[in-house]
Amino acid sequence: QKEVEQNSGPLSVPEGAIASLNCTYSDRVSQSFFWYRQYSGKSPELIMSIYSNGDKEDGRFTAQLNKASQYVSLLIRDSQPSDSATYLCAVSIITGGGNKLTFGTGTQLKVEL
Amino acid sequence: KAGVTQTPRYLIKTRGQQVTLSCSPISGHRSVSWYQQTPGQGLQFLFEYFSETQRNKGNFPGRFSGRQFSNSRSEMNVSTLELGDSALYLCASSLALAGGYTGELFFGEGSRLTVL
Repeated sequence: QKEVEQNSGPLSVPEGAIASLNCTYSDRVSQSFFWYRQYSGKSPELIMSIYSNGDKEDGRFTAQLNKASQYVSLLIRDSQPSDSATYLCAVSIITGGGNKLTFGTGTQLKVEL
Repeated sequence: KAGVTQTPRYLIKTRGQQVTLSCSPISGHRSVSWYQQTPGQGLQFLFEYFSETQRNKGNFPGRFSGRQFSNSRSEMNVSTLELGDSALYLCASSLALAGGYTGELFFGEGSRLTVL
């Protein structure tokens, strides 16, 4: 079982709709959770971090965390064509040697006009 | 404020050669992490350095090594290159403090390595 799992997509949504991206993780001691966005040919950039159960909102983005279910999600409201990218879920996992950030393989989002 | 700078951006090597990649973190960032990105495996963690000390290491063979200098700049080296080492190598810096860690990483543009 992979440590961080995401549906690879592509997930296609019409402009103005809500895009829902999901992520599950296997390590129960995971402490911190992140969503990165990566445009084609570019490097990942951090868009959201969440550390405790519940919702965290930042503009059109809402991150949701449920540690009991080991589930993290990202909602994008009023999706725009500029949101078309690959979204990477990342989980901070404590290992014997310290912390490391483990990434899922990403979900490709396409926002269609 | 300058971002994370990686050099070279592109390079082509042949099997058996070695390569050194360089990363200059954002000013004030003392933690530098390295990742390998390939289409099939996604982002794979290589190692993390803080104040010249390797704090964590991923599951890569010993051919992959790194170091960090007193000015926080970091290098990674891959020896005896194999075809499977062709990838985008990403460096990321963060404001992690001594004894702490943050997953809030700032990535450079990467070094794309092609092994022929």
